[in-house]
Order: sequence, then structure tokens, then C-alpha cells
Amino acid sequence: DAGVTQTPRHEVAEKGQTIILKCEPVSGHNDLFWYRQTKIQGLELLSYFRSKSLMEDGGAFKDRFKAEMLNSSFSTLKIQPTEPKDSAVYLCASSFGNTGQLYFGEGSKLTVL
Amino acid sequence: TQTVSQSDAHVTVFEGDSVELRCNYSYGGSIYLSWYIQHHGHGLQFLLKYYSGNPVVQGVNGFEAEFSKSDSSFHLRKASVHWSDSAVYFCAVSASSGSWQLIFGSGTQLTVMP
Repeated sequence: DAGVTQTPRHEVAEKGQTIILKCEPVSGHNDLFWYRQTKIQGLELLSYFRSKSLMEDGGAFKDRFKAEMLNSSFSTLKIQPTEPKDSAVYLCASSFGNTGQLYFGEGSKLTVL
Repeated sequence: TQTVSQSDAHVTVFEGDSVELRCNYSYGGSIYLSWYIQHHGHGLQFLLKYYSGNPVVQGVNGFEAEFSKSDSSFHLRKASVHWSDSAVYFCAVSASSGSWQLIFGSGTQLTVMP
């Protein structure tokens, strides 16, 4: 079975650009999460979808971050406009309901110059 | 407020040693407790979780963890580490029903010396 697939693995953007990160969850999973990981802040929740409905939208990230789940097998995270402080690894994870266990992708490392 | 605390940022041991990585939590209600491993440049991988029953749970690659309600702890242990166990380990807590998310600790970097 395919795990969680994230693309691109690496992205370099200029300040002010728009970037879109993509995620394909494990087939059949209906819960999808986006996390941001930095050395300083650790793992922070950006968004949580259940069956394509947005359940949680990280308060601190609302203004320039927008996650969407266009169908049950594809999600995007748009950052617009990017700022250097957005440099981080963005992790997508999925699960089949609330099992206390998440399946993570390999992450997308974003560098904003 | 739900919190997860991993008191050791770095732990260094020699191959073949035993190791314990510490995790304490603060969370009201029924919960899952779990551990994840992250090798450099990769995503997180699930190791094990606890919900109820036997407080000692077994995970992959010889890892086990013990839940203690009185200490609000969920420490991870391995009897004999291998160099490939070098990674960052994250403890996490989540509600066991309804809308949920994993709340992670800050992680412990485990380095296994040859």
C-alpha cells in the first residue's frame, strides 16, 4: 500500500511568492492533518480535515496559510505571500478515523529567501 | 491545556546499552499516548501507542513504553540499542474521541555511539 505522498520534497521561494504544497493521504483514510515543523517551535498543527471538512484551522496561521481538501485523496497547502519565517518542514499525515495513530509523509522542506 | 513534556533534549548511549526516554503529559479525559521516531530528513514513523489495559505496550524494533497514571508519564524504553536507533523521538497525546489532533512533545535526540 502506498503511504502518504508529499510533493515537492524541497521548495525554494523568494519572499512574497505563492507556493503550493501537495499531499496524497493513504488510500481510504478520512482524517488528514498538516503540521509545520521547526527547530524552535517543534510540531505545530496547521489544519485538520475529516472527510474533506475542515475541523481545525490553526489560529496563528490563518492569514497567509490556506489548506484545502479538493477530494478524499488530495490536499493542498497554499502559503501566500511567503515570508522568510515560513522556512520549515511541512508534514502531511493521515489516519482512518481517531485511532491515536498517524501516518506521515516524508515532508516538504520550504526555504524562503 | 494539554501539554506533553520531554525533559531530555539529547541522550547519548553506546550500542548495546539500554535506554529510557522520558515523557510526561497533562491532559483531561480519555486519551491515546503514543511515540514516534523521526530519522534525519524523513517524516515521523509510529512506534507504539497506549489507550487502556496492560500499562506496558510493545512496539516495533524492540521498543516498549510504560504508562503510569499516578506519574502522568509514558516513558519509552529499549533493552539494547543499535546504531540505527539514532533519531529524534517524539511523545504525543490525543483525545480518544471526537475532533482530535496529536499534541507533540519537543522531542529527544537519541545518539547511539558505536
